[in-house]
Amino acid sequence: NAGVTQTPKFRVLKTGQSMTLLCAQDMNHEYMYWYRQDPGMGLRLIHYSVGEGTTAKGEVPDGYNVSRLKKQNFLLGLESAAPSQTSVYFCASSYYPRRAYEQYFGPGTRLTVT
Amino acid sequence: KNEVEQSPQNLTAQEGEFITINCSYSVGISALHWLQQHPGGGIVSLFMLSSGKKKHGRLIATINIQEKHSSLHITASHPRDSAVYICAAGSNTGNQFYFGTGTSLTVIP
Repeated sequence: NAGVTQTPKFRVLKTGQSMTLLCAQDMNHEYMYWYRQDPGMGLRLIHYSVGEGTTAKGEVPDGYNVSRLKKQNFLLGLESAAPSQTSVYFCASSYYPRRAYEQYFGPGTRLTVT
Repeated sequence: KNEVEQSPQNLTAQEGEFITINCSYSVGISALHWLQQHPGGGIVSLFMLSSGKKKHGRLIATINIQEKHSSLHITASHPRDSAVYICAAGSNTGNQFYFGTGTSLTVIP
């Protein structure tokens, strides 16, 4: 099993450009999450999904959109990138809600917006 | 206000030392999680506990529910233990999940 994979691993964008980050999991997990990690701050939840076709906002959803058309994939989109979105992005998945069950994390995507 | 506080923020130890990382939380929890983030960036789940103590190899996690405090211990530390250790609390109300900011551990040979 590959676990949780993320594409791409690194990306540099100019302000105003758009991009999509892809997260894929092969563990048949219902729950998937997108986090961002910034220096000196804990992981912060951007959006999450509790099943195929469903998405919900997390703590810091502004400037991001998500889709979960297939159970195994969770896409994070930036429509018009801003320097404040420079961060490391992690996808995670869990079989049951993360509050009481183990999450599996992807390797991260380092995004720089200039 | 941070719902999860870790101490220390940074820790340097000599190989072989016994290490303790502390985590205090202010919310009611379903479970307390300890995560490890490797220097390369990957994050793995080490423990999830709601009471007592768990052990995996040289790592031990304990929790005191009444005091809302958890500790992660590493016995006979090794340079490969160098990583950031993150405490996180899964709330027992709603789907809230609170991350600490992490403890950066460096073990020197």
